[in-house]
Amino acid sequence: EDQVTQSPEALRLQEGESSSLNCSYTVSGLRGLFWYRQDPGKGPEFLFTLYSAGEEKEKERLKATLTKKESFLHITAPKPEDSATYLCAVTHSGYALNFGKGTSLLVTP
Amino acid sequence: SAVISQKPSRDICQRGTSLTIQCQVDSQVTMMFWYRQQPGQSLTLIATANQGSEATYESGFVIDKFPISRPNLTFSTLTVSNMSPEDSSIYLCSVVGQTYGYTFGSGTRLTVV
Repeated sequence: EDQVTQSPEALRLQEGESSSLNCSYTVSGLRGLFWYRQDPGKGPEFLFTLYSAGEEKEKERLKATLTKKESFLHITAPKPEDSATYLCAVTHSGYALNFGKGTSLLVTP
Repeated sequence: SAVISQKPSRDICQRGTSLTIQCQVDSQVTMMFWYRQQPGQSLTLIATANQGSEATYESGFVIDKFPISRPNLTFSTLTVSNMSPEDSSIYLCSVVGQTYGYTFGSGTRLTVV
């Protein structure tokens, strides 16, 4: 059975203070690891998909990396508008996603 | 990516009643899913909505409680039946297309009183 564990549960950063969020996973035959951003009262917004160990993707202040056991979402010089819950999900079947509980990020001015 | 319209966006319902949630996509999609997000929790897959046939339910979810329809490649409904306060959650529609990844609707926030 797929397992996805995200840490920390909550993170508070000062504006400009870089950090990383962790997503460790156990899945038989990874077909994809996904990162989403979720704002209060909204559905998850797609950020990245990673498929194989060593892969990296970037978007503005965010960079996602993948190893055989975990993924990191690096946030460089965050701004208050980066405050949200970040969700990690995996799929082994190629269709349904199995989500972690998320990391709630708060960036203060 | 696809544009998903999910209705209603929120509702407050009496226990024992049923609510039907609609998910309309602006293009034909390969797969459609329904998820539940309970307060403070992450997303849990309820079922895969299959076009023209019965939905495929995950462990812990049954058709009598969560009947799903998918009459075509762009539309699906989820009904939450005989509701109790434990059904208070956000319900989300998700789709996958041939040219884009998993996209989510904005969700339906359901409160059962």
